[in-house]
Amino acid sequence: EDQVTQSPEALRLQEGESSSLNCSYTVSGLRGLFWYRQDPGKGPEFLFTLYSAGEEKEKERLKATLTKKESFLHITAPKPEDSATYLCAAPVAQGGSEKLVFGKGTKLTVNP
Amino acid sequence: KAGVTQTPRYLIKTRGQQVTLSCSPISGHRSVSWYQQTPGQGLQFLFEYFSETQRNKGNFPGRFSGRQFSNSRSEMNVSTLELGDSALYLCASSFYGRARIDEQFFGPGTRLTVL
Repeated sequence: EDQVTQSPEALRLQEGESSSLNCSYTVSGLRGLFWYRQDPGKGPEFLFTLYSAGEEKEKERLKATLTKKESFLHITAPKPEDSATYLCAAPVAQGGSEKLVFGKGTKLTVNP
Repeated sequence: KAGVTQTPRYLIKTRGQQVTLSCSPISGHRSVSWYQQTPGQGLQFLFEYFSETQRNKGNFPGRFSGRQFSNSRSEMNVSTLELGDSALYLCASSFYGRARIDEQFFGPGTRLTVL
């Protein structure tokens, strides 16, 4: 069964304290890996797409990396405004089309 | 460019009732996907519509249905509501509907509470 697992479920950091979030997947024929950010009461906001092992993408204090079995979202010197739930998702082929399978997310809290 | 809009934003219904939620995709996008988000299960795929045709369906009972109109706007319907249907319902639009190459843009969601 295609699965996406994120860890930890929740993470508390002090402002400036760098860390990483993990997304592991068991998806046959992986076709990419997506990262989203979701703020309370809002829909997920697209961050990155990674297509192949070894690929890296950066946006401000965030850097996403991909291996053959997992992806990491590295947060460097986070600020309180980085507090959100971070979701990863993998596209899975189904019924002649594709759907996104999401992990349950990591809730990040950055304290000032 | 306007984003994905969903109406209503909040709904309170009682068990046994039915509900219709609406989603207007980004202009030019032809694919609309619906998801249910709950604290326990996270985001789960309901179905996807492309050019008025349901192209993909998740593992939800037949009480959950949807449709798409010629202007790409989509509606989803839940009949005979159960307490467990309480959730945030999200729709997402994309141009091609090919998940691996096509970013999905999400709306703010409709918060449904079933009493």
